[in-house]
Amino acid sequence: KAGVTQTPRYLIKTRGQQVTLSCSPISGHRSVSWYQQTPGQGLQFLFEYFSETQRNKGNFPGRFSGRQFSNSRSEMNVSTLELGDSALYLCASSRTRGASQNEQFFGPGTRLTVL
Amino acid sequence: GQNIDQPTEMTATEGAIVQINCTYQTSGFNGLFWYQQHAGEAPTFLSYNVLDGLEEKGRFSSFLSRSKGYSYLLLKELQMKDSASYLCAVRGDYKLSFGAGTTVTVRA
Repeated sequence: KAGVTQTPRYLIKTRGQQVTLSCSPISGHRSVSWYQQTPGQGLQFLFEYFSETQRNKGNFPGRFSGRQFSNSRSEMNVSTLELGDSALYLCASSRTRGASQNEQFFGPGTRLTVL
Repeated sequence: GQNIDQPTEMTATEGAIVQINCTYQTSGFNGLFWYQQHAGEAPTFLSYNVLDGLEEKGRFSSFLSRSKGYSYLLLKELQMKDSASYLCAVRGDYKLSFGAGTTVTVRA
């Protein structure tokens, strides 16, 4: 079974631009969560989607948004990029039913650098 | 909100045992997770505790006390490949909050 995939793996943008990151969950997983990881802040929860609906949201400004499609694939968008948005963005998927529903599987991440 | 504390760094010798403690304060609790993350890689799932007690999985064991807001991850028979960051995470409702991680260095 293929794992969680994220594209692109690396991205370089300049301040003020916007960026869209993509995540494809493991087949059969309907929940997708996004995290931002930086050396200073560690892993910070961004949002979680299930059945195309945002279930929960972390403490990030409105410049960070996301969506989920009917096939469970998810995208996150960051507008008006700032230098502090440079980070590793991780996507994780999980089942919604069964004994293993609480286990999250992480993708390799997208390394975003804002210049 | 959730507050999760774990030590920043630990060093141990190959073949030894290391215990990584995690204390947490949370307004809701739906389980505690431990993840391993090697430098430059994504976190990988190690263990999940939702009830009090010890969960053993090979060389790794995880313990939970909900009344004390406390968990530990025990790594036995340490190998060089165990050098990594270990993340404690608490799930409240549908949100997973992570500690800053404990960097474990295994020395020969």
